[in-house]
Amino acid sequence: AQSVTQLDSQVPVFEEAPVELRCNYSSSVSVYLFWYVQYPNQGLQLLLKYLSGSTLVESINGFEAEFNKSQTSFHLRKPSVHISDTAEYFCAVRRTGGAQKLVFGQGTRLTINP
Amino acid sequence: DAGVIQSPRHEVTEMGQEVTLRCKPISGHNSLFWYRQTMMRGLELLIYFNNNVPIDDSGMPEDRFSAKMPNASFSTLKIQPSEPRDSAVYFCASSLPLAGNYNEQFFGPGTRLTVL
Repeated sequence: AQSVTQLDSQVPVFEEAPVELRCNYSSSVSVYLFWYVQYPNQGLQLLLKYLSGSTLVESINGFEAEFNKSQTSFHLRKPSVHISDTAEYFCAVRRTGGAQKLVFGQGTRLTINP
Repeated sequence: DAGVIQSPRHEVTEMGQEVTLRCKPISGHNSLFWYRQTMMRGLELLIYFNNNVPIDDSGMPEDRFSAKMPNASFSTLKIQPSEPRDSAVYFCASSLPLAGNYNEQFFGPGTRLTVL
């Protein structure tokens, strides 16, 4: 079975400051890794994913995440946040073969202060 | 494309009543997922279908919960009888047929259920 731990339930930062949202996972088999974002009163949207290849993956709005197999981590970073980044962020894993089941972390609420 | 459509968006009911949540997946998607989001347990998969067939229902909490997918464009999640601890946001998601072992899941806006 897989599990995901997001170490921070809430992260407040000032606008234009850097941010890191931490994610660690546990799995006995190889996995795909995802970050989803949930804006207020909306469903989840895929932000970025790691399937294979380069361990550093980027989104179109400036977020990036790095897959670290030895530390079983997939932390999300952005060098300069904007008010519009205020949302809840979920880290998720899925085993690479067969089953499509996503296992989510508890979520991190990112609050951007002006 | 309209995206995944869920109805109702909000439902308030009394304990013991039957509740039916509905989902219309994106046209052409053959996988459909039902998730539940609560403060205590976070976001958890309840059940998913491939080609209208339930593949994994291990997340369905108990016999009060049932899900059906009578055709490729419609699914229901039913709770009978409902209990206050069922209060949550229920999300439906759909994805294209598997290609290269991965396809993105697209989420609907969710149904917020409150059981009094």
